[in-house]
Amino acid sequence: DAGVIQSPRHEVTEMGQEVTLRCKPISGHNSLFWYRQTMMRGLELLIYFNNNVPIDDSGMPEDRFSAKMPNASFSTLKIQPSEPRDSAVYFCASSLRVRGVGLETGVAKNIQYFGAGTRLSVL
Amino acid sequence: RKEVEQDPGPFNVPEGATVAFNCTYSNSASQSFFWYRQDCRKEPKLLMSVYSSGNEDGRFTAQLNRASQYISLLIRDSKLSDSATYLCVVIFSGYSTLTFGKGTMLLVSP
Repeated sequence: DAGVIQSPRHEVTEMGQEVTLRCKPISGHNSLFWYRQTMMRGLELLIYFNNNVPIDDSGMPEDRFSAKMPNASFSTLKIQPSEPRDSAVYFCASSLRVRGVGLETGVAKNIQYFGAGTRLSVL
Repeated sequence: RKEVEQDPGPFNVPEGATVAFNCTYSNSASQSFFWYRQDCRKEPKLLMSVYSSGNEDGRFTAQLNRASQYISLLIRDSKLSDSATYLCVVIFSGYSTLTFGKGTMLLVSP
């Protein structure tokens, strides 16, 4: 399996420009997550989708951020207009969501697999 | 109060040492627990899940203490390649999203 694939790996842009980050989840996974990681705030969940439907976008910082998942194999995170404070590493992760989250010996549910990330610098 | 807390470190240990990290969580109804490992400039990767009875994977042992609301990770016979940031991860009751601690940095020196 190729794993979660993100593009681009690095993006350098100027303030005010539109930025689009892309993600291809692991085939067969039904949940997709977008995270942002900075030194100050650590790893923050921005939004997640289940079966291509956005479930929780409460982590999206503001209206400049939007995410879509038009099909099970593709998602985008868009920032328009970008600002220097958006500079961070953006990770996409996917998982096979199983109902009844719980702790069972020998069974781990809802494990997330991360892509390599997009390192965004907004100048 | 932060939901998942970790000592940021860094923990500096020599090769062969035993080192332990703790992580506390705020929600007593939390249901699933994991340790992820993140190498410098890489993505987080699952190290191990944490089961209620505790579990071991080679040199790594994970424990859960529900009464005190913490999980621990013990690394025996540290290797240089163990140098990384270790992220504590919790799934709170009723959700399938992961809440990450900010991580504990481990540096293993020759």
